[in-house]
Amino acid sequence: AQSVTQLDSQVPVFEEAPVELRCNYSSSVSVYLFWYVQYPNQGLQLLLKYLSGSTLVESINGFEAEFNKSQTSFHLRKPSVHISDTAEYFCAVGSSSNTGKLIFGQGTTLQVKP
Amino acid sequence: NAGVTQTPKFQVLKTGQSMTLQCAQDMNHEYMSWYRQDPGMGLRLIHYSVGAGITDQGEVPNGYNVSRSTTEDFPLRLLSAAPSQTSVYFCASKITGRTEAFFGQGTRLTVV
Repeated sequence: AQSVTQLDSQVPVFEEAPVELRCNYSSSVSVYLFWYVQYPNQGLQLLLKYLSGSTLVESINGFEAEFNKSQTSFHLRKPSVHISDTAEYFCAVGSSSNTGKLIFGQGTTLQVKP
Repeated sequence: NAGVTQTPKFQVLKTGQSMTLQCAQDMNHEYMSWYRQDPGMGLRLIHYSVGAGITDQGEVPNGYNVSRSTTEDFPLRLLSAAPSQTSVYFCASKITGRTEAFFGQGTRLTVV
């Protein structure tokens, strides 16, 4: 069985400060890892994904996440956040058999203050 | 492409009523799935489909039925709505060979 734990339900941070959203997972099989972002009253959008290879993955808007197999973590980071980054962020795992089924964490609300 | 389209966006039901949440995608994706989103619980998989005519249960299937008669459509049916089904429902699709799922805008359902 697979599970995902996001360690913080809310993360308040001031604009231009760095941020880390933590995600731990457990699985008995190889997995793919994802971060999705949900802006208010919208659906989920893929932010970045880890499939294999380099353990550091980056998104086009400055976020990055590092896959750590020994710690079973996939934390999301950004060195300097903007007001527009205010959203809910979800960590998810999918089996490497690629059936499209995802297990989500509980979500972390990032609140960026001016 | 319109992507994944869900209708309606909002719905209020009385306990015991039935309804169908619609989901359509125009990307020729084989995989489709339904999730519900509840505060503090993230998204949980209700049902999924790997192609037309094939469906299977996810983590929280009780109270919901699905069918997949075409590649494009994957409706979710509530036969007898209960207050515990008050939630935001998301439909997602994925194409073979790719890993990322595309999500619709959601349906906010309230059962009173």
